[in-house]
Amino acid sequence: DSGVTQTPKHLITATGQRVTLRCSPRSGDLSVYWYQQSLDQGLQFLIQYYNGEERAKGNILERFSAQQFPDLHSELNLSSLELGDSALYFCASSVGLMKVETQYFGPGTRLLVL
Amino acid sequence: GESVGLHLPTLSVQEGDNSIINCAYSNSASDYFIWYKQESGKGPQFIIDIRSNMDKRQGQRVTVLLNKTVKHLSLQIAATQPGDSAVYFCAEKSTGNQFYFGTGTSLTVIP
Repeated sequence: DSGVTQTPKHLITATGQRVTLRCSPRSGDLSVYWYQQSLDQGLQFLIQYYNGEERAKGNILERFSAQQFPDLHSELNLSSLELGDSALYFCASSVGLMKVETQYFGPGTRLLVL
Repeated sequence: GESVGLHLPTLSVQEGDNSIINCAYSNSASDYFIWYKQESGKGPQFIIDIRSNMDKRQGQRVTVLLNKTVKHLSLQIAATQPGDSAVYFCAEKSTGNQFYFGTGTSLTVIP
């Protein structure tokens, strides 16, 4: 158990809908990262938050957004969902912003868009 | 963007043998690397890391080797066990805080 929690574990929805994925980082970690993992794809970095502020953006679609709250939990919002958004979404956390810092991953949310 | 690739998408080894999983990276500025293990239905699990000022690092039954000259990273697993069956990812970090991951190598341990 990495200490990172994610809810829900599974999510099934329809195209055009909007969903929110939730992540709680390890105790003491200030940085939260979101990744998408599709079939036959590696982990694609989406976005990073540190202590409530956005720090880095990766391949995140405009239909997707995220935020980190004062209690450090984070939410990833996916809107106008398309079939191709079906994937595993992982949250990871790390202590802060140091270069040499391990990221610890949660168990993921499996999203299926029908 | 970054390019982290794996030489072999699948690897099968006999239980008790040593496993070697390879990874090539393209950014010579990358200075921190991690190997992750991902079992089916679970999130990636940290195995071992290495900084660019090192060539080798050992953990429990695992060793990571870094060859900066050819931009190559390998993970060696000694006495491979059935519980080692998983997908293994290498990840590199250069500028910024984001990791770039390879597509993974699927390791199957044959009893």
